[in-house]
Amino acid sequence: DIQMTQSPSSLSASVGDRVTITCRASQDISNSLAWYQQAPGRAPKLLLYGASRLGSGVPSRFSGSASGTDYTLTISSLQPEDSATYYCQHYYSTPHTFGQGTKLEI
Amino acid sequence: EVQLVQSGAEVKKPGESLKISCKGSGYSFTNYWIGWVRQMPGKGLEWMGIIYPADSDTKYSPSFQGQVTISADKSLDTAYLQWSGLKASDTAMYYCARRDGQFDYWGQGTLVTVSS
Repeated sequence: DIQMTQSPSSLSASVGDRVTITCRASQDISNSLAWYQQAPGRAPKLLLYGASRLGSGVPSRFSGSASGTDYTLTISSLQPEDSATYYCQHYYSTPHTFGQGTKLEI
Repeated sequence: EVQLVQSGAEVKKPGESLKISCKGSGYSFTNYWIGWVRQMPGKGLEWMGIIYPADSDTKYSPSFQGQVTISADKSLDTAYLQWSGLKASDTAMYYCARRDGQFDYWGQGTLVTVSS
């Protein structure tokens, strides 16, 4: 099975800051990588797929990139509503493992 | 509008059986895989498995193989997750989601509580 190692597990930032969350895959996943946002008490929501493609209705301050087996989610200018937990997930082969999550406090 | 509507919260005793549901609407239900995701209290997301409703092809995570059964009824546009003997450790929120590679639409979640 492919393992996804996500870091950091938590971070605190301020409105307007730029933050970066990283996921490392245990093997090549050919950009088959999605990022999700989960607000407290809510179902997860798709942010990005294909490593860098924005989901429907997602603000452009969210972006994604890839370098080898390392994948990055960047939020360019934090807003209060971005306070949530963020998860990466690969969908290259089953099981489509999730990362451990990053709790972002603003 | 694509929607996945899950059945309501359940409270069960250890050893009991349970089947929860996920009804899709607003799209062709048989054209997309449906997945199930577990979230234990205060914990992260765990991929359980997926089913293709057109032919009921199913793939499980090794962690959940033999522990749950995923099924679908394409005539009802509904997918199911079932247990034959619940344990306290099955207490969690369970989400269904439509798979288009990534999970693009999610249900609202079904909270399952197992307690004596």
